[in-house]
Amino acid sequence: DAEITQSPRHKITETGRQVTLACHQTWNHNNMFWYRQDLGHGLRLIHYSYGVQDTNKGEVSDGYSVSRSNTEDLPLTLESAASSQTSVYFCASRPKLTGEAFFGQGTRLTVV
Amino acid sequence: GENVEQHPSTLSVQEGDSAVIKCTYSDSASNYFPWYKQELGKRPQLIIDIRSNVGEKKDQRIAVTLNKTAKHFSLHITETQPEDSAVYFCAARDLLTGRRALTFGSGTRLQVQP
Repeated sequence: DAEITQSPRHKITETGRQVTLACHQTWNHNNMFWYRQDLGHGLRLIHYSYGVQDTNKGEVSDGYSVSRSNTEDLPLTLESAASSQTSVYFCASRPKLTGEAFFGQGTRLTVV
Repeated sequence: GENVEQHPSTLSVQEGDSAVIKCTYSDSASNYFPWYKQELGKRPQLIIDIRSNVGEKKDQRIAVTLNKTAKHFSLHITETQPEDSAVYFCAARDLLTGRRALTFGSGTRLQVQP
């Protein structure tokens, strides 16, 4: 079955390190998104992509970057991890024209 | 950009009672309003959605209503069951133009007491 998967599921890293979270989907969806989830804030958009070579900043993009070299993958990179980036990260994808977004299982990142 | 407010942040009901969660949005261009359910430790999953050309949509015990004039929409769960306990998120976006990402509310933790 087609799916969207994130890895790793859990990660502990030190302040200042570069970290990359992987997101892979097999639906051939054009649109992919990264959100972070924090208590009291719901899901906030970090970056998103409409297709290969396209990336856009969301509302909380500072300190994060993404790249889209193929349809299936949208890795999220924390350039220099900070304690404020401790969160649960969700990747999502959606076909070009429909409304429903499908989420990955999430990655719990702890920055110590 | 779009801003979505969600209330209440927590809601506790007795099994069999109804639960109502309310959201308001700011961008009149938004025309798609989904609701996601997130069980503890799991991913958010779509449970129902509504588009701005209808005022109400129902799926078994779940219904969503939309008031475009007032820019608010609500989730109604009837005959609640313990398995309805979860965090619920409302969201909004414009299907046709502008941003193509969902803007989410801050979530409502629903507890159904047996």
